[in-house]
Amino acid sequence: EVQLVESGGGLVQPGGSLRLSCAASGFSFSNYWMNWVRQAPGKGLEWVANIKLDGTEKYYVDSVRGRFTISRDSAKNSLSLQMNRLRAEDTAVYYCARGRGAIVINYFDYWGQGTLVTVSS
Amino acid sequence: QSALTQPRSVSGSPGQSVTISCTGTSSDVGGYNYVSWYQHHPGKAPKLMIYDVTKRPSGVPDRFSGSKSGNTASLTISGLQTEDEADYYCCSYAGSHVVFGGGTKLTVL
Repeated sequence: EVQLVESGGGLVQPGGSLRLSCAASGFSFSNYWMNWVRQAPGKGLEWVANIKLDGTEKYYVDSVRGRFTISRDSAKNSLSLQMNRLRAEDTAVYYCARGRGAIVINYFDYWGQGTLVTVSS
Repeated sequence: QSALTQPRSVSGSPGQSVTISCTGTSSDVGGYNYVSWYQHHPGKAPKLMIYDVTKRPSGVPDRFSGSKSGNTASLTISGLQTEDEADYYCCSYAGSHVVFGGGTKLTVL
């Protein structure tokens, strides 16, 4: 059974940092692109970042590029998101999701339950 | 404001059918056959219901179907059941990334 379990969320002050983790199990982690998707309170979903199978390619939504860093450790079947210079608008539930697509990554077939990040003073 | 436009809410009675629309542009929904739909019960993991506009993952009932015309994609749920009550999100490839809709709350009366 595919499982994705996020951790690391919490309350942080504006300008602070936080590192999210996602523990993957039940599938061959190194064979899939992995993603972070977030949902701000009362808002829709927003794709945040993704990382290629071997970690050699990484992509970000414009609003987090230069502040967030996605990484993966295939030995530990783990995905991470280092979030620096956090802003109030980064407040959201952050989901780890497995990316799929025959030609381009365009959908997510498994998701975690999410971890809440609150940026507030 | 989300990139794709969905109605905030829809409702239906058990056994009825409902359709949720998802309107984008020629740069996303209209430009690619890469629309997906997700069911989300609050507090739980979102679940993939439809991908590549019309395809259903294994285990998703055939009561769920997807379609697209121009810049608008649709999710139709037939034979509504109480457990279908949830939030539904559409998603489309947009050339270098994906964009989501704002979500539609489905109420089964």
